[in-house]
Amino acid sequence: GENVEQHPSTLSVQEGDSAVIKCTYSDSASNYFPWYKQELGKRPQLIIDIRSNVGEKKDQRIAVTLNKTAKHFSLHITETQPEDSAVYFCAATGYSSASKIIFGSGTRLSIRP
Amino acid sequence: EAQVTQNPRYLITVTGKKLTVTCSQNMNHEYMSWYRQDPGLGLRQIYYSMNVEVTDKGDVPEGYKVSRKEKRNFPLILESPSPNQTSLYFCASSPSPQVYNSPLHFGNGTRLTVT
Repeated sequence: GENVEQHPSTLSVQEGDSAVIKCTYSDSASNYFPWYKQELGKRPQLIIDIRSNVGEKKDQRIAVTLNKTAKHFSLHITETQPEDSAVYFCAATGYSSASKIIFGSGTRLSIRP
Repeated sequence: EAQVTQNPRYLITVTGKKLTVTCSQNMNHEYMSWYRQDPGLGLRQIYYSMNVEVTDKGDVPEGYKVSRKEKRNFPLILESPSPNQTSLYFCASSPSPQVYNSPLHFGNGTRLTVT
């Protein structure tokens, strides 16, 4: 069945440095790729998303890139800050999967002061 | 305030005692869904509903039931809970029945412990 692999499972970076989280999906018909941030004890919340007709999208310090040929997409966080510490989930869905959304297993990002 | 409301936030129960976790949204969303979150496994979809009276199985539906009699409510029912259903549960909604069109809005979660 459809699958989304997410790496790494944990990531620790120095404050001010960049962080990159990578995901690979299996369903070539996937065309919508959201990223959710979950702070400790809270609900996941959308931080950025990208559709298959776009290769890159930026929103201030965060950006997402998509390589449809390789079925990879990545989250980039620049100039990391303590409030970026959280668990990040990638997800993929598309017309062929109807209303099923497949999530990655999550990345716990820690920002070292 | 636009939101998805789950109740209860915390629940401790015993094996076999039927329970219901409620979920309600006030955004007139078509799509609603339930997920369970377990360490190292991410968010796994249990059931989803594209509209009133329309429900479908997600990836891990065994041991759960749902109903969608009204647009705003989507309760999760565990007829005979077992310890392997101990988990953190999230309800979510989306404006579009095709979730490749719009993101999910999550509730605050329900932490369920089955002893």
